[in-house]
Amino acid sequence: DQQVKQNSPSLSVQEGRISILNCDYTNSMFDYFLWYKKYPAEGPTFLISISSIKDKNEDGRFTVFLNKSAKHLSLHIVPSQPGDSAVYFCAASASFGNEKLTFGTGTRLTIIP
Amino acid sequence: NAGVTQTPKFRILKIGQSMTLQCAQDMNHNYMYWYRQDPGMGLKLIYYSVGAGITDKGEVPNGYNVSRSTTEYFPLRLELAAPSQTSVYFCASSSIPGQGTLAKNIQYFGAGTRLSVL
Repeated sequence: DQQVKQNSPSLSVQEGRISILNCDYTNSMFDYFLWYKKYPAEGPTFLISISSIKDKNEDGRFTVFLNKSAKHLSLHIVPSQPGDSAVYFCAASASFGNEKLTFGTGTRLTIIP
Repeated sequence: NAGVTQTPKFRILKIGQSMTLQCAQDMNHNYMYWYRQDPGMGLKLIYYSVGAGITDKGEVPNGYNVSRSTTEYFPLRLELAAPSQTSVYFCASSSIPGQGTLAKNIQYFGAGTRLSVL
């Protein structure tokens, strides 16, 4: 039972264009969402997060949007750069039991120079 | 800043052998976690700990054991290695979320241990 889903295993985007990575969740108790970035042979690193009381959070080139009614979030990267090529994981947690994260299966983003 | 350190980076085991994956963090974090990542899959929680002396099962605990005698260390033990335990293992840590803040459980990960059981 996959509570956090990333339906696109891979995505290719031209350098300088916008990258949009999507994530869907099924558990209505989730109220905090995070995106992690992972390079080969390294551990995941935290990128950006959003609380359910917001619908948007920006950090430089990265913006996360949350649509609670659709149980959907997305990560926008503008402009995309070659160094953004990595696997991106969406993760979610609930206030009760907030010590645990549930991860999606990841999307491999390739930025084409 | 070392952060979360995992050893070894790579290991090959024979079926039935045992080993301990080491994890240490120097951030004084209360929470620590062990995950496994199989190809094309997300991270699955094996065990976690909310403080020294306290551990609990995650989603996929069978075949593993943990202990947490200090804040810094959280080793993962495989007693009878099986081919199904071939995976990449990640240790992570996080601090107790601040009261009254929106920021919650940001976990910091080690570089991983790649384990093959043959």
